[in-house]
Amino acid sequence: GAVVSQHPSWVICKSGTSVKIECRSLDFQATTMFWYRQFPKQSLMLMATSNEGSKATYEQGVEKDKFLINHASLTLSTLTVTSAHPEDSSFYICSARGFRHRSYNEQFFGPGTRLTVL
Amino acid sequence: RKEVEQDPGPFNVPEGATVAFNCTYSNSASQSFFWYRQDCRKEPKLLMSVYSSGNEDGRFTAQLNRASQYISLLIRDSKLSDSATYLCVVNDGTSYDKVIFGPGTSLSVIP
Repeated sequence: GAVVSQHPSWVICKSGTSVKIECRSLDFQATTMFWYRQFPKQSLMLMATSNEGSKATYEQGVEKDKFLINHASLTLSTLTVTSAHPEDSSFYICSARGFRHRSYNEQFFGPGTRLTVL
Repeated sequence: RKEVEQDPGPFNVPEGATVAFNCTYSNSASQSFFWYRQDCRKEPKLLMSVYSSGNEDGRFTAQLNRASQYISLLIRDSKLSDSATYLCVVNDGTSYDKVIFGPGTSLSVIP
C-alpha cells in the first residue's frame, strides 16, 4: 500500500493564485522530504530538500520566495506555489526518507500532484 | 556533460526479448545507485538498488562499474507489464540524501 500520500492529486487554478500541496508519510517518520518537479517528457528535477524543523535547502534556480516549503512535523511537508503562472504548470512529486522497515536508503515517492495554471 | 545520462530510447521490443539499458554518471564521488521505473503520469517506483557486486532480482539484473562510472539494467523474458520508463538514479556525492535522476529510457513491450 501507499506509504506517502499527496493532496491534491490534481489542481487547476487561475494565474496569480497560490496553491498548497501536502505530502504525508503514512507509516513512518520522514526526517527528510524532497520536492521534485517534472515537465512533460523530462525527468524529475529536485527543487528542494527539507528536514523536519529546519529551513528547506533549495536547488540552484529555484526561487525560495515563490516555492514555500514547510516541514513542520515528521509526517507532513507542504509546498506552496505562490502567485502561480502558466509556466509553473507541472507534475510536482514529493518523496520521503526515514527509517521504515529498518531501511533508510530508499526514498518513497508520493503519487504526485498535477498543477495546471490557466 | 549531464550528470546522469541514459540511452535515449525509446526501445520497442517483442514479448520475451532481452533488453539492456545503459547509464553513465559524471560524479566519481557518487555512492548510491538505483533503477526506478515510472509509468505514464505516475510517480517513480524503486525497481532495485545497484551494488558493486551486481545484483539480480528475478528477470532483472543490475551491474555497476565504478571505474567506468557505468550502470546497466538487463531485463530478460520481457513482459507487456514491463512497458514503462526506466530511470537511472545516482546520489550526488556531496550529500547522502540528494539523488539525481537520469532522463529515463522508455520501453514498450509489444505482443
